[in-house]
Amino acid sequence: KQEVTQIPAALSVPEGENLVLNCSFTDSAIYNLQWFRQDPGKGLTSLLLIQSSQREQTSGRLNASLDKSSGRSTLYIAASQPGDSATYLCATSGTYKYIFGTGTRLKVLA
Amino acid sequence: SAVISQKPSRDICQRGTSLTIQCQVDSQVTMMFWYRQQPGQSLTLIATANQGSEATYESGFVIDKFPISRPNLTFSTLTVSNMSPEDSSIYLCSVEVRRGRGEQFFGPGTRLTVL
Repeated sequence: KQEVTQIPAALSVPEGENLVLNCSFTDSAIYNLQWFRQDPGKGLTSLLLIQSSQREQTSGRLNASLDKSSGRSTLYIAASQPGDSATYLCATSGTYKYIFGTGTRLKVLA
Repeated sequence: SAVISQKPSRDICQRGTSLTIQCQVDSQVTMMFWYRQQPGQSLTLIATANQGSEATYESGFVIDKFPISRPNLTFSTLTVSNMSPEDSSIYLCSVEVRRGRGEQFFGPGTRLTVL
C-alpha cells in the first residue's frame, strides 16, 4: 500500500529565502506525482504535475523534481513571498487513485 | 484545466440529519472523485463517481453512509447520511480532465460542521 510522507510538517522562513519541500513515497510504481497548494479552509490548487517518465517540471518560481527509484520528490520555491504562505501537498497517482501526503504548512514572514 | 463549483460552500447541521453536496464541472470529464479532509489532516479518497453506474468506494467508506450520484459527465452529488460530529470535515470533489494523464483538479470544497 502506497504511503506518502512530507517533511517538514511545518516551516517558517523570512521573505526572500529559497526553500525546499520534501515528499517521499514507498511504492515507485506511480503514474505521476502532483504538487498542490491549499489555503486555509479552501480547496486545492494544482501547482505542478510530473509524469513518471519526467525528472522535473518548472512553473515560474516553482521547480519540482522526481526520483522514482528513490521514492522522492522535491518542490523548490525561489525567492519566497508572504503570498506563498499555505499548506503544500504532494500526491502520487496509481491506477485511478491518488494518495496524498501529510502536507507541509509554510509560513513566509514579511 | 477545469472550473469546478461546489454547493454549499459550508453548512452547519444537526446530528442525525443528512446533507447533499453538489459538484458541477464546466466541461465533460470521465473521472470524478470525492474526498474527505478531516480537521488538520490530509485528504482521503471516499469514492470514484462513475457515470451511469454505482460509485466505487474505498476501504472504510460505504454506500449507505455516503451515497453518490453521477447522472452525467458534468455533475455529481455526495450525500453524508445520518451525520455525527465525527463527519465534520471539508468534502472536496475533483476531476481528471484528460484520461491517462492523471492530473486532478479540485473544487473549492464544502466545509461541514455537525453539532
